[in-house]
Amino acid sequence: SQTIHQWPATLVQPVGSPLSLECTVEGTSNPNLYWYRQAAGRGLQLLFYSVGIGQISSEVPQNLSASRPQDRQFILSSKKLLLSDSGFYLCAWSVRSFGDQYFGPGTRLLVL
Amino acid sequence: AQSVTQLGSHVSVSEGALVLLRCNYSSSVPPYLFWYVQYPNQGLQLLLKYTTGATLVKGINGFEAEFKKSETSFHLTKPSAHMSDAAEYFCAVSTGTASKLTFGTGTRLQVTL
Repeated sequence: SQTIHQWPATLVQPVGSPLSLECTVEGTSNPNLYWYRQAAGRGLQLLFYSVGIGQISSEVPQNLSASRPQDRQFILSSKKLLLSDSGFYLCAWSVRSFGDQYFGPGTRLLVL
Repeated sequence: AQSVTQLGSHVSVSEGALVLLRCNYSSSVPPYLFWYVQYPNQGLQLLLKYTTGATLVKGINGFEAEFKKSETSFHLTKPSAHMSDAAEYFCAVSTGTASKLTFGTGTRLQVTL
């Protein structure tokens, strides 16, 4: 069966520090991968998605970037965190040509 | 472009009462529709989905939803609420390539004794 992992689970970082959040998927090949952010009291905002290694599409301009160095690994990064980067970050995967997305447990980021 | 509207950011029902969470969508092409549930500090779990075929879709935990094209709706129902149903529920639509989903803003369901 397929499993999706995210780490760390919780992170507290000072403003201006770098960020690296990692997501890995097991039990499937060539998945589509997604990064979402969920701010308090708001819905999910799609940040990035990837249909293959090295292929990244950005949905909104922001202080973040994403990379996919391996087929089942998706990384969310920032060089300098802003207060507004605080939120709950969710990684998801889907099988190509189908709409179902399956979510990881999330990373709660607090920027102080 | 597609969009999703969830009416009611908070819904409160008594245990044993009917649950009805509303979702309307906008899409220029036949949509795939989804309901997800999120418990506190967790990721989203797929409840049910509509792709094609039967318009009444049954999901996990006794939930079901009906796709009504004429009303562009995909409301979520459960005949009898349980305390464990308290969570946030998200409706989503997918039409494009890469299976991108557009989510509604969510409805928080409270279940009272």
